Amino acid sequence: EDQVTQSPEALRLQEGESSSLNCSYTVSGLRGLFWYRQDPGKGPEFLFTLYSAGEEKEKERLKATLTKKESFLHITAPKPEDSATYLCAVQALGNEKLTFGTGTRLTIIP
Amino acid sequence: NAGVTQTPKFQVLKTGQSMTLQCAQDMNHEYMSWYRQDPGMGLRLIHYSVGAGITDQGEVPNGYNVSRSTTEDFPLRLLSAAPSQTSVYFCASSLDSNSYNEQFFGPGTRLTVL
Repeated sequence: EDQVTQSPEALRLQEGESSSLNCSYTVSGLRGLFWYRQDPGKGPEFLFTLYSAGEEKEKERLKATLTKKESFLHITAPKPEDSATYLCAVQALGNEKLTFGTGTRLTIIP
Repeated sequence: NAGVTQTPKFQVLKTGQSMTLQCAQDMNHEYMSWYRQDPGMGLRLIHYSVGAGITDQGEVPNGYNVSRSTTEDFPLRLLSAAPSQTSVYFCASSLDSNSYNEQFFGPGTRLTVL
């Protein structure tokens, strides 16, 4: 059974303090790993898809990386508007279903 | 484009009542899906559809029905509401099943069953 574990559950950073969020996964053949951002009271918003180990993608202050067992979402010099819950999900080969983790709630303090 | 819209935003039901959660998209997306989000559980897939007239079960389909008569609409029906169905429900869509990972989510419906 596909599993996704995200850590930490919550993270508080000062504005400008860089850090990383972790997504560990177990899947029988990875088709893709996805990162989403979710603001309170809203639906998730797609950020990245990673397909193979060693792949990296960037968007503004965010960079996602992938290994065979985990993915990291690096946030560089974060701003208060980066505060949100970040969700990780995986899709197995031959499977149309996404398995989501429970998310990391990120708070950036001005 | 309005994107993915959901109605209602909030709903309170009594145990045993039935209702339909509405979902519509105006992006001509073939793939649509319903998730529920519960604290500590992550998003879980209820039902999905790869095109009009085609639906399939996800991870937690019991107690829910869906139909897809048009490309635009994908309603979710609760047959006989139970307190265990208290949750936030999200509808999502994507261009097709090949790229469905890039899903656009609606704003959600917060359902409470008493």
